[in-house]
Amino acid sequence: NAGVTQTPKFQVLKTGQSMTLQCAQDMNHEYMSWYRQDPGMGLRLIHYSVGAGITDQGEVPNGYNVSRSTTEDFPLRLLSAAPSQTSVYFCASRYRVGGYTFGSGTRLTVV
Amino acid sequence: GENVEQHPSTLSVQEGDSAVIKCTYSDSASNYFPWYKQELGKRPQLIIDIRSNVGEKKDQRIAVTLNKTAKHFSLHITETQPEDSAVYFCAASIRDFGNEKLTFGTGTRLTIIP
Repeated sequence: NAGVTQTPKFQVLKTGQSMTLQCAQDMNHEYMSWYRQDPGMGLRLIHYSVGAGITDQGEVPNGYNVSRSTTEDFPLRLLSAAPSQTSVYFCASRYRVGGYTFGSGTRLTVV
Repeated sequence: GENVEQHPSTLSVQEGDSAVIKCTYSDSASNYFPWYKQELGKRPQLIIDIRSNVGEKKDQRIAVTLNKTAKHFSLHITETQPEDSAVYFCAASIRDFGNEKLTFGTGTRLTIIP
């Protein structure tokens, strides 16, 4: 099992550019979420999914889109990058019971 | 929505002593309370969790207590070791199908002094 795989690990974007952060899990987990981590603010939920074809907004969804066409993949799209989206992004997944398994993160800088 | 407050933000303890981190939550419907450990530059990792039908749970040197009436829960680490140095996050959520809004506290940086 590879667990939760995130790509890329690092990314620099210019303001206004768009990009997709990839997340894949091979554990057949139903639940997947995207968090961003900023200094002093903990982890904040962006979007989540409880199964293929089902997504919903978290605490800070503005500027981000998600889709869940398969159980394995849960990409996060930045529509028009802004400096306020500079952060570390974590994807996480879990089965019906138990806690989340996190990916290794993507460090995004928007200049 | 749910609000989770975590204290203290930093904590230093002598190796071998105990460490306690406390969290409060606002939504009385929350029924799942995990704790995550994050080492520098690494991903958060689940270390222990508790559900609202249980008041205490232990796993070797780690224990979590929950007071539903007061809406607070705590992490206790005994016989601390240098490898316990990390940032610890508490979290709370309502574990029902279709609801996956896990809300995190702002973290506690624990430093173990050799």
